[in-house]
Amino acid sequence: QSALTQEASVSGTVGQKVTLSCTGNSNNIGSYAVGWYQQISHGAPKTVMFGNSLPSGIPDRFSGSKSGTTASLTISGLQPEDEADYYCSTWDYSLSARVFGGGTKLTVL
Amino acid sequence: EVQLLESGGGLVQPGGSLRLSCAASGFTFSSYAMSWVRQAPGKGLEWVSAISGSGGSTYYADSVKGRFTISRDNSKNTLYLQMNSLRAEDTAVYYCAKENGRTVTTALDVWGKGTTVTVSS
Repeated sequence: QSALTQEASVSGTVGQKVTLSCTGNSNNIGSYAVGWYQQISHGAPKTVMFGNSLPSGIPDRFSGSKSGTTASLTISGLQPEDEADYYCSTWDYSLSARVFGGGTKLTVL
Repeated sequence: EVQLLESGGGLVQPGGSLRLSCAASGFTFSSYAMSWVRQAPGKGLEWVSAISGSGGSTYYADSVKGRFTISRDNSKNTLYLQMNSLRAEDTAVYYCAKENGRTVTTALDVWGKGTTVTVSS
């Protein structure tokens, strides 16, 4: 069981806005920056958001937010190439370890 | 351009050892913490170990504590993962990833392409 909880699957149509969530606790999400990672067909992960920052080359339809112990990744204007697995991750103070969510499979219909 | 290139993976028997390397370029290596993350076949991402920019602080997942050792050579811009007493459950693709700061409590911002470790007799 993962320390961070993500939806197992989310789907949306092209052009739609979708939001993926990542729920933790005060020892992790409540205290540290959250990163979001996209993995297409089990290739190498790619960072699509870290903290409040959008990495170079990532389209600005990706945005991130955090409220208390829940972080969210929003994709506005969903594109077919956004279909992938998405993982969230942050540091956990009580575990002295980095923790990952179980991943969300995003399907673009 | 920031790049991370892992090497050292392969097939090893249970109980054996391997050393993974990650060659970094395009940034001031010593200024950033680094992590190893793995992914077993059909599974999600699992953090393995992390090290601060200076190398003075190291952290391990419980599943590898006492068997794996993370280290870095800042003069060679290279990160290492020494893996001993390997088990079948260590079979995975191992990714090297850069943290967005000197400590391990930031977020991972750049990933390597990974190297495959297979533990099997």
